[in-house]
Amino acid sequence: AQKVTQAQTEISVVEKEDVTLDCVYETRDTTYYLFWYKQPPSGELVFLIRRNSFDEQNEISGRYSWNFQKSTSSFNFTITASQVVDSAVYFCALSEGSKTGANSKLTFGKGITLSVRP
Amino acid sequence: DAGVIQSPRHEVTEMGQEVTLRCKPISGHNSLFWYRQTMMRGLELLIYFNNNVPIDDSGMPEDRFSAKMPNASFSTLKIQPSEPRDSAVYFCASSGDSDRDFGPGTRLTVL
Repeated sequence: AQKVTQAQTEISVVEKEDVTLDCVYETRDTTYYLFWYKQPPSGELVFLIRRNSFDEQNEISGRYSWNFQKSTSSFNFTITASQVVDSAVYFCALSEGSKTGANSKLTFGKGITLSVRP
Repeated sequence: DAGVIQSPRHEVTEMGQEVTLRCKPISGHNSLFWYRQTMMRGLELLIYFNNNVPIDDSGMPEDRFSAKMPNASFSTLKIQPSEPRDSAVYFCASSGDSDRDFGPGTRLTVL
């Protein structure tokens, strides 16, 4: 069975601090996909990144970066120089192996509530 | 592209009433997913369709819940009869060969 664990439930930082959100996953599939979503106070789910199990390269997008390590089954997310607008709930998710990961079900973690104070 | 469209955005009903949630996926997407989000259980997959065919409905809580996808551009999630514990945000998502797109959700309150 697939499982996603986000051990941190709430994190509070001061603006401009760096913050890392942890994600640990379990799966028996050799092909799988990992995702991060952001849910701001308005409630919508905003896609941030998708990474397949064969690509362990770290990814950077502006202030966001992701560290994928198969050896520890982790897919951690770092926000550099956090801003108040980063305040949201962040979900890590895992999908079963398929051609793209897009057409199979996602298993979500419980989410991490990030509060960035001015 | 308007994205995934869900209606209504908010629904307040009384226990025992029938509730129908609607979803229009993104044109060209061949998979559709219904999720429920609650504080206690987080985001749970209820059911998903590939090419309008239900693939996995193991997440549907009980017989009071049913979902249909009569064509590629429309899906419904029905709860009959509704109960207070069904109060949640229900998300619809669709995907093709790219990433998963979520709708804005329907906030359901059952009194």
